[in-house]
Formats: sequence, C-alpha cells, structure tokens
Amino acid sequence: DTGVSQDPRHKITKRGQNVTFRCDPISEHNRLYWYRQTLGQGPEFLTYFQNEAQLEKSRLLSDRFSAERPKGSFSTLEIQRTEQGDSAMYLCASSPGRFSGANVLTFGAGSRLTVL
Amino acid sequence: QQPVQSPQAVILREGEDAVINCSSSKALYSVHWYRQKHGEAPVFLMILLKGGEQKGHDKISASFNEKKQQSSLYLTASQLSYSGTYFCGTDQTGANNLFFGTGTRLTVIP
Repeated sequence: DTGVSQDPRHKITKRGQNVTFRCDPISEHNRLYWYRQTLGQGPEFLTYFQNEAQLEKSRLLSDRFSAERPKGSFSTLEIQRTEQGDSAMYLCASSPGRFSGANVLTFGAGSRLTVL
Repeated sequence: QQPVQSPQAVILREGEDAVINCSSSKALYSVHWYRQKHGEAPVFLMILLKGGEQKGHDKISASFNEKKQQSSLYLTASQLSYSGTYFCGTDQTGANNLFFGTGTRLTVIP
C-alpha cells in the first residue's frame, strides 16, 4: 500500500491551455474524490466516484472540467481552456466506500496548478 | 454547506491547551477532523458519528453535539508537532461527501 499518488505534483501552464491530472488511489478503495484547495482555504469538493461511476459533481465543476475513472482504478481530472482562477492545489482522496459513514478519506499530496 | 470554524488562528506555548470549534447550519451525519501541515496533504485525525459520542487519540479528543450541529476538537498539553491547520469536514447524508471549513491555524511555540 503506497497511499494515494498524484501526478504531476506541479504544473505551470499558460491561460487557455488544457491540463490533465492523474490520481492513483489506494488499491482496495472503491471511492475516489477530487477536491480543490486555494491558499488559506479548506478543500472544496469537486466530484466523487464509486468505482467507475461518477455519483456527484459540485456546481464548482464548470463544463471546462471533466473527470473520469474508466476502470474503477485511477482517475483523471482534465481542465480545458484554463483560466487564472483555476490556479489551485488539486487534491485527490480515496476511501474504502463503506456506507457506514465511518469512511475515512486518505488524501494524496496534491497537484499544484499555476496558470499564467 | 461549508461549516464555520473558530478561531481562525491560535498560538500556544508547549504544554498549553486549545479548543477548536466547528459548526454547521445543516443537520450532520458525521464530522471528520484533519490536520494539514504546510505543503502536505491533510491527514485524518478522527471521525465522530451522530450520537453525541466523544473520541480521543493520545492527547487530542473531540466531541459532537448533533442537536446543535457542532463539534469541538480538544488539544491538551500541546506539542510542537501539533502545529498545522486543522479542518473539520462535515457529512450531511452519510454518503461521505465532506464539506470542509476554512481551517484553524495552530502554532505551538517552545
């Protein structure tokens, strides 16, 4: 168990370019979450997957954002036509997926995006 | 949906105690507490399910009052390693989609 891995750790891009982030969750975890965190703020929920199904999306997730988890394992988060306001840390988390409510999220180290 | 945390920041000397509060305007299924050090991922501390239970982990404990939709994190005899930003994450449905507060920055000085 190597924890939650995210790649790349840092990405600098010019406004208007597309970027893609990858998240590899803990192998036996069914749930995968994407959060965005800006400086001095708590993580903001973006979306989550139960296996390969995307079950909920935040209104923060505009049509420029798309997330996939094609085989219920790794996930990608793509941002098209990036804007300076997209600059943030993008955090991925995974959890076992039990519905008991005692579902602990394990976070990755995050992918920091800087849009120039 | 975002819970409100207080205080926003606190500075302690080693050995002092602190309380961090988290309140929500919505009924809660559970409250999760995380600590994040600068440049690192949030790390899970504890989870409290509705029922007013209290949990403890070493010298860090927490309570959850589901009637008031409030949770408090208690840090006793603080250590330098306690420094970081503490976030509460609230779950309203049991589906475990957490909404995090803005955080409480805790600094412990010698």
